[in-house]
Amino acid sequence: AQKVTQAQTEISVVEKEDVTLDCVYETRDTTYYLFWYKQPPSGELVFLIRRNSFDEQNEISGRYSWNFQKSTSSFNFTITASQVVDSAVYFCALSEALTGGGNKLTFGTGTQLKVEL
Amino acid sequence: EPEVTQTPSHQVTQMGQEVILRCVPISNHLYFYWYRQILGQKVEFLVSFYNNEISEKSEIFDDQFSVERPDGSNFTLKIRSTKLEDSAMYFCASSVRGQGETQYFGPGTRLLVL
Repeated sequence: AQKVTQAQTEISVVEKEDVTLDCVYETRDTTYYLFWYKQPPSGELVFLIRRNSFDEQNEISGRYSWNFQKSTSSFNFTITASQVVDSAVYFCALSEALTGGGNKLTFGTGTQLKVEL
Repeated sequence: EPEVTQTPSHQVTQMGQEVILRCVPISNHLYFYWYRQILGQKVEFLVSFYNNEISEKSEIFDDQFSVERPDGSNFTLKIRSTKLEDSAMYFCASSVRGQGETQYFGPGTRLLVL
């Protein structure tokens, strides 16, 4: 069975600090996809990034960067120079293909990030 | 930019009542999903829907739940006889294709069963 572990329940930082959110996953599939979603206080789920298991290149998007390490089954997310607007719950998710079509996301329990002035 | 929409944003109902949650997926997407999130907990898969039928459902999705795509745009989740434990945020999602494709989520419907 698929499993996603986000061991950090809550992280508090001061604005402009860098912060890394950890994600460890378990799967028996050789091809799989990993995602990060952001859930701000308003409650919606905002897609941040998708990564497939064959692409281990790290990705940077502005202040956000992702480190995918297949050897340790980790897909960590770093926010550089954090801002108050980054305060949210961040979910890591693992995709499982469905025989009937589509894919099912298994989410981690989320990390609540609080960025204070 | 196209987005998934959901109505209503909030719904309060009495235990035992039927509720229908509505979603309009992104127009060129072919795969549709419902997830739920009990307050303070993680997001859980309920059901996936493709080609006008359920492709997979979770253990949570029992006989009290049903989904339907009544026309070319709407995708609904019906709970026939609500229970207190059905209180949660329900998210609709859609993706353009299947395996590994990004699922885009709607803003959610917060359901409260009294």
